[in-house]
Amino acid sequence: KAGVTQTPRYLIKTRGQQVTLSCSPISGHRSVSWYQQTPGQGLQFLFEYFSETQRNKGNFPGRFSGRQFSNSRSEMNVSTLELGDSALYLCASSTEVPYGELFFGEGSRLTVL
Amino acid sequence: KNEVEQSPQNLTAQEGEFITINCSYSVGISALHWLQQHPGGGIVSLFMLSSGKKKHGRLIATINIQEKHSSLHITASHPRDSAVYICAGPTNTGNQFYFGTGTSLTVIP
Repeated sequence: KAGVTQTPRYLIKTRGQQVTLSCSPISGHRSVSWYQQTPGQGLQFLFEYFSETQRNKGNFPGRFSGRQFSNSRSEMNVSTLELGDSALYLCASSTEVPYGELFFGEGSRLTVL
Repeated sequence: KNEVEQSPQNLTAQEGEFITINCSYSVGISALHWLQQHPGGGIVSLFMLSSGKKKHGRLIATINIQEKHSSLHITASHPRDSAVYICAGPTNTGNQFYFGTGTSLTVIP
């Protein structure tokens, strides 16, 4: 059974640009959640989707958005990138509602120059 | 003040030692997760528990809901256990998910 797949794994952007990250959950998992990890702030919750609906959102500005498709794949978008957005972005999928056992992807490492 | 606090922040142990990592939380959490992160970033879920005790191999996790406290124990530690261990959990309403700051464990052969 394939694990959680995140793409791209690494990317470099410049300030002001936007970025879209993708997460394909484990087959059959309907919940996808996103997290940001930085050396200074550690792991922080971004948002959680279930059956194409954003059910919960962490304390991040509106520049951070996401969506989930009917096949449970999810994307997150960050617009008007800032230097502080440089981070490892992780997604996790689970079967249960809410936040069952989490299966994490390897993450997308974003560097903003 | 962090909603989820872990101790110790750093831990060095000799191979074979019994290790305990503690997690205390100040908010109502519906289920406590213990996660392991190796250098390079990958995170693995070790346990999810809302009451009592769970055991998997050499790892044991316990939780006391009333005291809002959980512990992760590693018996007969091994160098491959070297990693960052993180406790985390969603609030009872599910509208937020809090993480501890992590415990960096190094097991020396």
